[in-house]
Amino acid sequence: KQEVTQIPAALSVPEGENLVLNCSFTDSAIYNLQWFRQDPGKGLTSLLLIQSSQREQTSGRLNASLDKSSGRSTLYIAASQPGDSATYLCAVRGMIKAAGNKLTFGGGTRVLVKP
Amino acid sequence: GAGVSQSPSNKVTEKGKDVELRCDPISGHTALYWYRQSLGQGLEFLIYFQGNSAPDKSGLPSDRFSAERTGGSVSTLTIQRTQQEDSAVYLCASSAVGLANEQFFGPGTRLTVL
Repeated sequence: KQEVTQIPAALSVPEGENLVLNCSFTDSAIYNLQWFRQDPGKGLTSLLLIQSSQREQTSGRLNASLDKSSGRSTLYIAASQPGDSATYLCAVRGMIKAAGNKLTFGGGTRVLVKP
Repeated sequence: GAGVSQSPSNKVTEKGKDVELRCDPISGHTALYWYRQSLGQGLEFLIYFQGNSAPDKSGLPSDRFSAERTGGSVSTLTIQRTQQEDSAVYLCASSAVGLANEQFFGPGTRLTVL
């Protein structure tokens, strides 16, 4: 059974610092990995999706890397801003047919960027 | 609207009552998913619909939960005889064939069972 872990559960940084968010998963047979952002009381916003064959994806200040063999992904947010404050979730989709298309989520990292 | 929509946004009900939650996926998306987000359990998969195939119900926590998808579009999640432990945010997502199966989420329905 796939398990996804995000450490730390919470992170506080001063504005301008780079953010590094970690995600690990136990079963490396994944189809893809998605990073989401969730603001309080809101749904999930997809940030980046990395296919299992890719090593990284970039969008603006965001960069996500994937090391499938070690079961790790890292989300980097450069030059953090107070507007980056949110909970960040990673989720993996399994490769095998039995896993279907469901995503297995980590518990999230709650980020606070202080002005 | 371009995104996934859900209604109602909030629902308060009494223990034992039945509730229906609605999801409108992004137009043209053939896959639809329901997830539940609760304080103790994080985000959990409930059920998945893909086109006309039989749904994957493997995440439904009990037989009080059911879902249907009519006409390959709108979906309704029904919880019968609600219990306090059903209190959670219920999230719906949809994805298109291709596009790396990226899932797009709605704003959720917050269910509170008193």
